[in-house]
Amino acid sequence: QKEVEQNSGPLSVPEGAIASLNCTYSDRGSQSFFWYRQYSGKSPELIMSIYSNGDKEDGRFTAQLNKASQYVSLLIRDSQPSDSATYLCAVKAGGSYIPTFGRGTSLIVHP
Amino acid sequence: NAGVTQTPKFRILKIGQSMTLQCTQDMNHNYMYWYRQDPGMGLKLIYYSVGAGITDKGEVPNGYNVSRSTTEDFPLRLELAAPSQTSVYFCASSYGGHQYFGPGTRLLVL
Repeated sequence: QKEVEQNSGPLSVPEGAIASLNCTYSDRGSQSFFWYRQYSGKSPELIMSIYSNGDKEDGRFTAQLNKASQYVSLLIRDSQPSDSATYLCAVKAGGSYIPTFGRGTSLIVHP
Repeated sequence: NAGVTQTPKFRILKIGQSMTLQCTQDMNHNYMYWYRQDPGMGLKLIYYSVGAGITDKGEVPNGYNVSRSTTEDFPLRLELAAPSQTSVYFCASSYGGHQYFGPGTRLLVL
């Protein structure tokens, strides 16, 4: 059974701080890693993807991957109240059509 | 591009009724998926398709059926609705592993 684990939160951070969201996965054959943001009452939307060990930066977002530790994280710098949402981690094995989703971490950024 | 569209947005069903949730994508993606999401829970895969004419069961297929006669359309059929099928249903299509989600259908079975 492939598993993706996330702390459900809520993670509460003040505006302007760095929010750190974490995800662990069980399948060592995983090759593709995705972070989706889901606002309340809306559908998930992709914000980051990462495929190799190390960091990948896109604006205020940084995804970090450590395959040896089976760990992927998302850092949000200069957090804004508009970043308040649930963040879903998804992991996909090579050659698979189907990603495995975590349950998501709720992030609250308070002014 | 409209992306992935779903209809209806909201529906109330009585126990035992049937309905079809519509999903259409205009991105020419081969892979399409149906998920359900219950409050505080993650996405549960119901069915998926890797191309027209090919469908397969996901994690929670019982009580549902799908068809894929064209690349664009992937309807989800609920037969004999039960209260346990109250949920939000998302359709998605995929390219390069990245999934594009529709806006969702909120279903209430009473």
